[in-house]
Amino acid sequence: EAGVTQFPSHSVIEKGQTVTLRCDPISGHDNLYWYRRVMGKEIKFLLHFVKESKQDESGMPNNRFLAERTGGTYSTLKVQPAELEDSGVYFCASSKRTGEKLFFGSGTQLSVL
Amino acid sequence: GESVGLHLPTLSVQEGDNSIINCAYSNSASDYFIWYKQESGKGPQFIIDIRSNMDKRQGQRVTVLLNKTVKHLSLQIAATQPGDSAVYFCAEDTGRRALTFGSGTRLQVQP
Repeated sequence: EAGVTQFPSHSVIEKGQTVTLRCDPISGHDNLYWYRRVMGKEIKFLLHFVKESKQDESGMPNNRFLAERTGGTYSTLKVQPAELEDSGVYFCASSKRTGEKLFFGSGTQLSVL
Repeated sequence: GESVGLHLPTLSVQEGDNSIINCAYSNSASDYFIWYKQESGKGPQFIIDIRSNMDKRQGQRVTVLLNKTVKHLSLQIAATQPGDSAVYFCAEDTGRRALTFGSGTRLQVQP
């Protein structure tokens, strides 16, 4: 069974540019989460999808971040325009049902220069 | 993938010794706690979990202890092996599954 996959693994962009991160959850997992770790700090929750619906987006830092999960399969997280403080590692996780353990992807390392 | 942060508390143990990693959590409403292991270039990997109605849970070579009175969680690894070297995170959950992670502890196993 394939795990959670994220693309790209690394992205280097300039301030003001747009970046789109992609997450493919484990097949059949309705729950999809985005987390991020910035500046070597704690991993922080961004948002939670159940199928294609946003269940909780309380962790989204501002309106430069847009997450989608059209069709309830893969998800994208777009940052537009990117700022220096957005640099960090963005993790995606999925679970089959709400309340079950999360499986994490390897993350996308984003560097905004 | 991620190169895990440099400025983490570090626990250094000899191979074969037992390791104890501690974590203080913040929210008394949290009812579910998880330990994750993160190796360089990989995402957090589930190790063991415990619900708030328990104070101890054992897995294979790992034990989690929960003390709700002082909001403290610990992970014990028996007979630590070089493959256990990683950063370990505790996480707490109030039921929303929007996990709150601790800052992490780096475990270094000396051969």
